[in-house]
Amino acid sequence: EADIYQTPRYLVIGTGKKITLECSQTMGHDKMYWYQQDPGMELHLIHYSYGVNSTEKGDLSSESTVSRIRTEHFPLTLESARPSHTSQYLCASRGVGADKQYFGPGTRLTVT
Amino acid sequence: KQEVTQIPAALSVPEGENLVLNCSFTDSAIYNLQWFRQDPGKGLTSLLLIQSSQREQTSGRLNASLDKSSGRSTLYIAASQPGDSATYLCAVRQGNQFYFGTGTSLTVIP
Repeated sequence: EADIYQTPRYLVIGTGKKITLECSQTMGHDKMYWYQQDPGMELHLIHYSYGVNSTEKGDLSSESTVSRIRTEHFPLTLESARPSHTSQYLCASRGVGADKQYFGPGTRLTVT
Repeated sequence: KQEVTQIPAALSVPEGENLVLNCSFTDSAIYNLQWFRQDPGKGLTSLLLIQSSQREQTSGRLNASLDKSSGRSTLYIAASQPGDSATYLCAVRQGNQFYFGTGTSLTVIP
């Protein structure tokens, strides 16, 4: 079973706040991904990384940033949260030469 | 751009019934296709992965098939149980990116 963790699991914050969603994996996977998922909708890729110091934007521009200073850690930061950022955020990882993506439990974000 | 569609969006069946979930994709140039299960408020759990060169994969009561040329995959669940109730998503991989469907919400009635 995959070991990929996300904190916090639930977060309610006010508009304009800066927040960081944490994602960590203990499997040594080089590739990591952040997805946004609204109820009943498909997952949208917002950021991905192929390794340390490598980050790319996905199809969905979410006004967020990511960093990959360590292999195991891939945090997502919203500089100024807005109600439109209310969603579930899912982190995933995949190993070198591997096909399967492994997902964390998700962070449910509500911006009031 | 790759588009993935899943039909039906929701399905309710009595316990013990066999069922089929459908997934279609517009661009057949895929590397593989993966079926996931998602429980409410949770992340995704991988069920089966089919490489583009394969026709099907089986795990327990689950069987997934792939017809890459027609852009279709099916997930067959045998002898459904209430514990199978969840949303089932399919995703195709192109390069290093994954494209997901919106899922089929399955309810198995005891």
